[in-house]
Amino acid sequence: DADVTQTPRNRITKTGKRIMLECSQTKGHDRMYWYRQDPGLGLRLIYYSFDVKDINKGEISDGYSVSRQAQAKFSLSLESAIPNQTALYFCATSDRARGPYEQYFGPGTRLTVT
Amino acid sequence: AQRVTQPEKLLSVFKGAPVELKCNYSYSGSPELFWYVQYSRQRLQLLLRHISRESIKGFTADLNKGETSFHLKKPFAQEEDSAMYYCALERTTSGTYKYIFGTGTRLKVLA
Repeated sequence: DADVTQTPRNRITKTGKRIMLECSQTKGHDRMYWYRQDPGLGLRLIYYSFDVKDINKGEISDGYSVSRQAQAKFSLSLESAIPNQTALYFCATSDRARGPYEQYFGPGTRLTVT
Repeated sequence: AQRVTQPEKLLSVFKGAPVELKCNYSYSGSPELFWYVQYSRQRLQLLLRHISRESIKGFTADLNKGETSFHLKKPFAQEEDSAMYYCALERTTSGTYKYIFGTGTRLKVLA
């Protein structure tokens, strides 16, 4: 089955460390997204990419960066992790040809910054 | 600012009772609206979108532009409907793209 995968699934890191979360998809979708979820706040968009050369900030991009290495891969980096970046992170994809754009989500990465 | 509001964090109903999960949005244009569902230990997945005017698993949602609402309804709740439900809005304005989720409502269907 075509899928969206995230690695790692769980990560504990210390304040100040650099960390990368990876997302891969076999759906052949051109659009990819990174969200974070905090209790009581729903999902908030961090970055999105409509194709390999098109990367855009979402509503909460401060402290994060991304890389779209290929159509199928979209990585999220925390250059210097801080405790308030502790959250559940989701990657998602969508297909431009099938608008309005239903998003397909990965299983999530639980990140804890101590 | 665009916003999606789900006023209920938790909604408990008995099996067989009607269900209505509320969603209100603030957006002056023509929005694309969705309901997503997350069952226990499963991924977030699309339940339905307003443009399709479809019924999925017995759920329907009608866009009311006058009330800026997109409430999710089901006439007879089933125990397997217990899950977290999120309303979402997608829009592109002046080249800026947003996909905004509400904070979610947990539905518990009691036996």
